[in-house]
Amino acid sequence: DVQLVESGGGLVQPGGSLRLSCAASGFTFSSYWMHWVRQAPGKGLVWVSRISGDGTSTSYADSVKGRFTISRDNAKNTLYLQMNTLRAEDTALYYCARHLDRSTWSVDYWGRGTLVTVAS
Amino acid sequence: QSALTQPHSVSGSPGQSVTISCTGTSSDVGTYNYVSWYQQYPGKAPQLMIYDVSKRPSGVPDRFSGSKSGNTASLTISGLQAEDEADYHCCSYAGSYKGVFGGGTKLTVL
Repeated sequence: DVQLVESGGGLVQPGGSLRLSCAASGFTFSSYWMHWVRQAPGKGLVWVSRISGDGTSTSYADSVKGRFTISRDNAKNTLYLQMNTLRAEDTALYYCARHLDRSTWSVDYWGRGTLVTVAS
Repeated sequence: QSALTQPHSVSGSPGQSVTISCTGTSSDVGTYNYVSWYQQYPGKAPQLMIYDVSKRPSGVPDRFSGSKSGNTASLTISGLQAEDEADYHCCSYAGSYKGVFGGGTKLTVL
């Protein structure tokens, strides 16, 4: 079975940094694009970032570009999100998700999320 | 990358049909046939219900259908059931390997 397990969330002060991880299992990790999607408490989903299977191609939402970096270690079947210069508005539950297929733009599996709280 | 526009809430009685709209622009919904819909129960991760505007993943009941006209995509749920009560989120490809979601719609089954 496909499993995605996020970790690394927590409480951080504004301007601080945090690195999220997503451990993947049950599929050939290197064959799939991966995404980070976040959801502020009581709000809708927001797409954050995407990375190609080999890690050479990345893309970001304008709101995080220059502050967040997505990466992956295919040998460890793990996806990362390095978050720097964090702001209060970055407070959210962060999900990692698997891209369904290169011929589409949708995700078919989601983790349970890891909560990031930015506050002083 | 402005969020797609969805109604905050919709409701319907068991057995009825409801339609949730998702309005974007010519830069996303209007140009690409890559609209997807996700169902989310409180405290749970989203689940893919529709992709590529109208395709259903295996296991999703055929009561769920999707369509698109111009800059607006729609999710229709027919034969409404109590278990359909959830939040629904639309998503569209926005070019340059970027995506955009809607604000989400709360479906209440009366």
